[in-house]
Amino acid sequence: DVKVTQSSRYLVKRTGEKVFLECVQDMDHENMFWYRQDPGLGLRLIYFSYDVKMKEKGDIPEGYSVSREKKERFSLILESASTNQTSMYLCASSLPSPGSSGNTIYFGEGSWLTVV
Amino acid sequence: AQKVTQAQTEISVVEKEDVTLDCVYETRDTTYYLFWYKQPPSGELVFLIRRNSFDEQNEISGRYSWNFQKSTSSFNFTITASQVVDSAVYFCALRRIGATNKLIFGTGTLLAVQP
Repeated sequence: DVKVTQSSRYLVKRTGEKVFLECVQDMDHENMFWYRQDPGLGLRLIYFSYDVKMKEKGDIPEGYSVSREKKERFSLILESASTNQTSMYLCASSLPSPGSSGNTIYFGEGSWLTVV
Repeated sequence: AQKVTQAQTEISVVEKEDVTLDCVYETRDTTYYLFWYKQPPSGELVFLIRRNSFDEQNEISGRYSWNFQKSTSSFNFTITASQVVDSAVYFCALRRIGATNKLIFGTGTLLAVQP
């Protein structure tokens, strides 16, 4: 089974703090993703990485950056946390397309971040 | 533009009732994938099914069934004889074949199954 692990389930941070959300996958997937989930908005893509040190902006990258130094690890960074970044953050991974199994994205359990 | 609409925000049923979750999508692509994910209270999104746009056959897996109709751009999900453990948020999603980064989600439907 694919396992995507997010290191922190619940975090409370202060406005202006630098925040790191860590994600590790154990299936040697090339693609990794960070999504944000908010009520009434569904899931929105923040950043995507298709290889080590490679990244692409998603739909809502403002206020975020990412780091992918190793294939299995993808970090989301909030340089200066703000209250509007209070949300649920979901990490995911997949094999690259094309390929029948490569088109399924597997998700972690999520990290609930509260910025006060 | 690509879009997924789940018009039902919340549904409440009593155990053993059948329930259908609606999903309508928009895309200009002729080839694409459709997905359903389940999100229980624990938070993790659990993959349920992937459907290729070339395959309009309905699928059944135990108490779950999916009805894909390209003519109406719908990919509806039915749970037969619902159980309390089915209580979760269910997301429908759309992805282009060959595109590695875009999984377009609907806003989700919260299903509450009462004992």
